[in-house]
Amino acid sequence: AQSVTQPDIHITVSEGASLELRCNYSYGATPYLFWYVQSPGQGLQLLLKYFSGDTLVQGIKGFEAEFKRSQSSFNLRKPSVHWSDAAEYFCAVARLMNTGFQKLVFGTGTRLLVSP
Amino acid sequence: DAGITQSPRYKITETGRQVTLMCHQTWSHSYMFWYRQDLGHGLRLIYYSAAADITDKGEVPDGYVVSRSKTENFPLTLESATRSQTSVYFCASSESDSIYGYTFGSGTRLTVV
Repeated sequence: AQSVTQPDIHITVSEGASLELRCNYSYGATPYLFWYVQSPGQGLQLLLKYFSGDTLVQGIKGFEAEFKRSQSSFNLRKPSVHWSDAAEYFCAVARLMNTGFQKLVFGTGTRLLVSP
Repeated sequence: DAGITQSPRYKITETGRQVTLMCHQTWSHSYMFWYRQDLGHGLRLIYYSAAADITDKGEVPDGYVVSRSKTENFPLTLESATRSQTSVYFCASSESDSIYGYTFGSGTRLTVV
């Protein structure tokens, strides 16, 4: 079954430093992959998504992610972190149901802390 | 207001009581979902709906009931609340397929005492 693993429960990064959040997926074919961000007390917001084509995907708020089939990874990156990026980040993969519908399966999330 | 709204934002209820969480979306999205978010588990799908009057179970449906008589509304009912149902509940909607990604509401924090 399709699944997503986020190996880091929380990460602390200094403001201005670069960021990489890890995501590994388990899927037989080319997956549909997503990154969401959840600010404190808020719902989830879509950062970016990958369906096919260019393996480097640009998203909102200066984030990007790279799909690497050989490593089954879809890591999220940002070259310079801002204090407002402190939030929880979720990776997700679309899972095909018997009905033909694809539902999202989420990882357990990575909490990003930004230090001054 | 356009978007997806959940009510209430916070709810405290007693064990054994019935409680209903509301979800309303203004886009006429076909698909709607209910997730619960718990520490260490991420988001887990409770129920989803592909259209009005069409619902199906997700990963953790026990103890929950849903209905969808109108496209825009997707209420979630806890028939007899238990402490294990203390959680943050998120409603989401999607146009027609998850390849477009979901739009989430702001969540309902439910505490069962």
